[in-house]
Parts: sequence; structure tokens; C-alpha cells
Amino acid sequence: EVQLLESGGGLVQPGGSLRLSCAASGFTFTSYPMNWVRQAPGKGLEWVSTITGSGVSTYYADSVKGRFTISSDKSKNTLYLQMNSLRAEDTAIYYCAKRALLDSWGQGTLVTVSS
Amino acid sequence: DIQMTQSPSSLSASVGDRVTITCRASQAISNSLAWFQHKPGKAPKPLIYAASTLQSGVPSKFSGSGSGTDFTLTISSLQPEDVATYYCQQYNNYPLTFGGGTKVEIK
Repeated sequence: EVQLLESGGGLVQPGGSLRLSCAASGFTFTSYPMNWVRQAPGKGLEWVSTITGSGVSTYYADSVKGRFTISSDKSKNTLYLQMNSLRAEDTAIYYCAKRALLDSWGQGTLVTVSS
Repeated sequence: DIQMTQSPSSLSASVGDRVTITCRASQAISNSLAWFQHKPGKAPKPLIYAASTLQSGVPSKFSGSGSGTDFTLTISSLQPEDVATYYCQQYNNYPLTFGGGTKVEIK
């Protein structure tokens, strides 16, 4: 059974940093691209970033490009999202999800950017 | 970027009604389209991929159709447990993009 478990969310001041983690199990981690998707309060779903299974290629939404970095650790089957220069508009629940068609999701972790 | 336009943005229907949600892509995406059901406080639930293929365990009252730019999600007989927001998503190109969502309620 595929399981994705996010962690690392919390309250951070504007301009601050946070690193999210997503521990994966139940599938061959290196075989699939992995994604971060977020939902801001009262808003719809927004794709944030993708890393290919090999880790060679990464993709970012324009809204986070240059501030967020996606990475993965194959030895730990874990996906990461390093978030720097955080803004109020980054406040959201962040989900990790498997494959471009997003066929499995974690439960999400809440990031709140506020002073 | 490919824009995904969903309609309606909300609907209210009676138990047992047939409900249809449409999703239009700003350019052709073949059949690279997925549908999700999202309830408050829960993770989005994948319903359909490749425009018409049900994810494992999804009841057959859900169905999808379409190709190219125009797609539909149909719930054959609306039940109280189907109250949720539904999203379409294209995965033909990066950036991955979602429709704005359709909130489904019971009348």
C-alpha cells in the first residue's frame, strides 16, 4: 500500500524558511516523479513543484521559482521542499503526491506565514 | 501554460440526480486528464485518470469522458457522501494545472 506522510509545517515569519518532508513507502520511490501541491485557505489546488524519479530534472511554478527547492533522498525514500523567503501568500496546506497524474496523496502539512 | 476551465463553479442537485461537470483545456492535451474529489480536512481523492479510467476502488457511479480540449465528469446518482469539491487536472505538460473546482451540494 502506498503511503505518503508529510511533516515540517508550522508557523514562520515572512522572509523566513521552512523545510517540508514527505516520507514515502509501498512503492519504488525512484521509479516515479514526485510532486508538491498546495491549497491556500479558501482557494483551489495549486501545483508547486515536481522532481523526476531519477532526481535529475525539477520543475517549479512561477510563484515559487527561485525561492523553493525540491529534492529527494533515495536512501531514505523521502521527498523534500526547502522553502525560503516565505510570503503570506505561501500560507497553505502542502501535500506531496505521486506521479504526474497525482495518483496518491499524503494528508498534508499546514504552513502558516505570519508575523 | 495550459489553462483549465471548469464549469459550473458550484451546483446544487437532489439525491439521485445525474450530475455533470465540464472541464475545458486551453489547448489540446490528448487524454492526459485526471479528476479529484476533495472534502474539507481530507487529502484530495483521485477518481479518474487518462480522462476515463477509474482509479482502483472508485465506485462505478463516477465516469469520465473526453479527449483533446473538452472533458466531463459524471456522477450517475448523487448521494450525500458525494458532497465535495471536484477538480480536473491536466498532466500533458508542465506546469501541471488544475481547474478552479466545482463545489457540489445537495439540494
